[in-house]
Amino acid sequence: GNSVTQMEGPVTLSEEAFLTINCTYTATGYPSLFWYVQYPGEGLQLLLKATKADDKGSNKGFEATYRKETTSFHLEKGSVQVSDSAVYFCALRDKGAQKLVFGQGTRLTINP
Amino acid sequence: GAVVSQHPSRVICKSGTSVKIECRSLDFQATTMFWYRQFPKQSLMLMATSNEGSKATYEQGVEKDKFLINHASLTLSTLTVTSAHPEDSSFYICSARDPGSGGSDTQYFGPGTRLTVL
Repeated sequence: GNSVTQMEGPVTLSEEAFLTINCTYTATGYPSLFWYVQYPGEGLQLLLKATKADDKGSNKGFEATYRKETTSFHLEKGSVQVSDSAVYFCALRDKGAQKLVFGQGTRLTINP
Repeated sequence: GAVVSQHPSRVICKSGTSVKIECRSLDFQATTMFWYRQFPKQSLMLMATSNEGSKATYEQGVEKDKFLINHASLTLSTLTVTSAHPEDSSFYICSARDPGSGGSDTQYFGPGTRLTVL
């Protein structure tokens, strides 16, 4: 079945550092890929998405590129801020389906 | 963006009792809602898909009689954990699909409910 694997956290960085959170997936078809973010005390929010190979999703300075050849969707940001501290979830959804399959989440802490 | 609320945010109950968790879409009508369960340091696992006015569709391995789902209106779905036991302790999260936003991938998530069964 479909699955998503994220790098294990927690990840702790200093402000303005470069961020990469790895995400790889296993799927039988060509799924859509997502990154969700969960800030403390809040629900998951869609951060960005990509629906086909080589698409790049971007939002709030974060980027991720759909790499079919490596089945990856790594999340990157060039300069993180304290306000980026949250839990980040990578997810996939099969074409035509409603069900989301999530990775285990990566807790990110940014220190000033 | 759209807002989904859950109530209660935390609940502690005795073993053998039943607990009801509510999920509401506050500013849109949700024809489809989803219930997830999250164990510590693990991913969200979909338990069931709830469609307004019809029976929920449960994922494999989820007991229908233990986790009762009701989606009686376009803004409310409830999850009832019946005869709860300590192994049911978990973080339960709901999400709602806003059909008006376009695209089946637009799910809005509630903040979750922490259930502890003593």
